[in-house]
Amino acid sequence: SAVISQKPSRDICQRGTSLTIQCQVDSQVTMMFWYRQQPGQSLTLIATANQGSEATYESGFVIDKFPISRPNLTFSTLTVSNMSPEDSSIYLCSARTGVETQYFGPGTRLLVL
Amino acid sequence: TQLLEQSPQFLSIQEGENLTVYCNSSSVFSSLQWYRQEPGEGPVLLVTVVTGGEVKKLKRLTFQFGDARKDSSLHITAAQPGDTGLYLCAGPAGGTSYGKLTFGQGTILTVHP
Repeated sequence: SAVISQKPSRDICQRGTSLTIQCQVDSQVTMMFWYRQQPGQSLTLIATANQGSEATYESGFVIDKFPISRPNLTFSTLTVSNMSPEDSSIYLCSARTGVETQYFGPGTRLLVL
Repeated sequence: TQLLEQSPQFLSIQEGENLTVYCNSSSVFSSLQWYRQEPGEGPVLLVTVVTGGEVKKLKRLTFQFGDARKDSSLHITAAQPGDTGLYLCAGPAGGTSYGKLTFGQGTILTVHP
């Protein structure tokens, strides 16, 4: 298993600004992912954070809007850029440790005014 | 990408009742996971099933993986208010989506005291 922490846990931001979310894993992991979730709904994958190379984005998500860094095997950041109220959501980091199992962080609750 | 259909979407029951949540697909999965997410938290892994026909028990929760590995179910016996949350099934996305998970739509369970 893996213990994952995220910072900040929540934030209220003004439109047009950017927020960087940090994700820390307590052990080295092969793969890390970033998800978005509306309360009470399922998860939507934003991108796979690749160590030492550019992230791989899912359809509908672009690097200019959601730049991602992964400098090592335990840490990643997601930036939500030029925010609008539509970006208000829960952002979740996850790490793949087992063959086909992911563990999740507690999430970052973002409200954009 | 392989799809997972989860039902029901909402479940509201009284304490002490039993319930079953279903996760179905037309595709074969090498494994399926079940997660529970409580308000304000990230999804927490409950179980991974990997063998067709497998049954796993976690206290009052019983998980089954279909013989053909296309479906799974979660049965809760004598539900308690602490079981309230969002339940998600997930499995490997398949194809070229190495390492990624595909999620069901989720089941919001509310157990009333």
